[in-house]
Amino acid sequence: DAGVIQSPRHEVTEMGQEVTLRCKPISGHNSLFWYRQTMMRGLELLIYFNNNVPIDDSGMPEDRFSAKMPNASFSTLKIQPSEPRDSAVYFCASSPVMSPGTDTQYFGPGTRLTVL
Amino acid sequence: AQSVTQLGSHVSVSEGALVLLRCNYSSSVPPYLFWYVQYPNQGLQLLLKYTSAATLVKGINGFEAEFKKSETSFHLTKPSAHMSDAAEYFCAVSDLGGGSYIPTFGRGTSLIVHP
Repeated sequence: DAGVIQSPRHEVTEMGQEVTLRCKPISGHNSLFWYRQTMMRGLELLIYFNNNVPIDDSGMPEDRFSAKMPNASFSTLKIQPSEPRDSAVYFCASSPVMSPGTDTQYFGPGTRLTVL
Repeated sequence: AQSVTQLGSHVSVSEGALVLLRCNYSSSVPPYLFWYVQYPNQGLQLLLKYTSAATLVKGINGFEAEFKKSETSFHLTKPSAHMSDAAEYFCAVSDLGGGSYIPTFGRGTSLIVHP
């Protein structure tokens, strides 16, 4: 298996622009997660899905962030409008089980976002 | 609510020396515990996990961790450090305290290995 695939790997944009991050989970996995990693705050869970349904989005920082999972093989995280404080590495991860904390999470390589 | 504390944001060892990375957790119910490793510019990879079976868990690359309920600890050890072990290490805990198993990650410990 190719593992979790994320695109783009790097994104540089200007404040106010829309940013869309993409993720393809491992085939057959039931859960998908979006994380944000910064030096200041560490690794933060933004949202997770079970069987394409958003279960917990309490970590989404504000209305500028939205996430979708239209099918089992694709998810997007959108920031509109972007701000410099959104600069971070965004990780997508998937897990083969419905209860995300009971089994391994498989992380993608991340998207490094820089908002100027 | 569950929480994780990793003592020491940086740990420095010499090649061949013992590696000890500390993790303490807070959980009201039996937890699941994990150690992940992150190499530069990569995502996290699982090193090992505790899921209520044996308290001494062996993982990849010679790492192991022992679950000690009385000390609420899950420290990561390796007898002899290699240069290739230099990376960021994350401890994670999850339990059913909030109604679902949502993992919480520690802030991470950077392992530095000197030749």
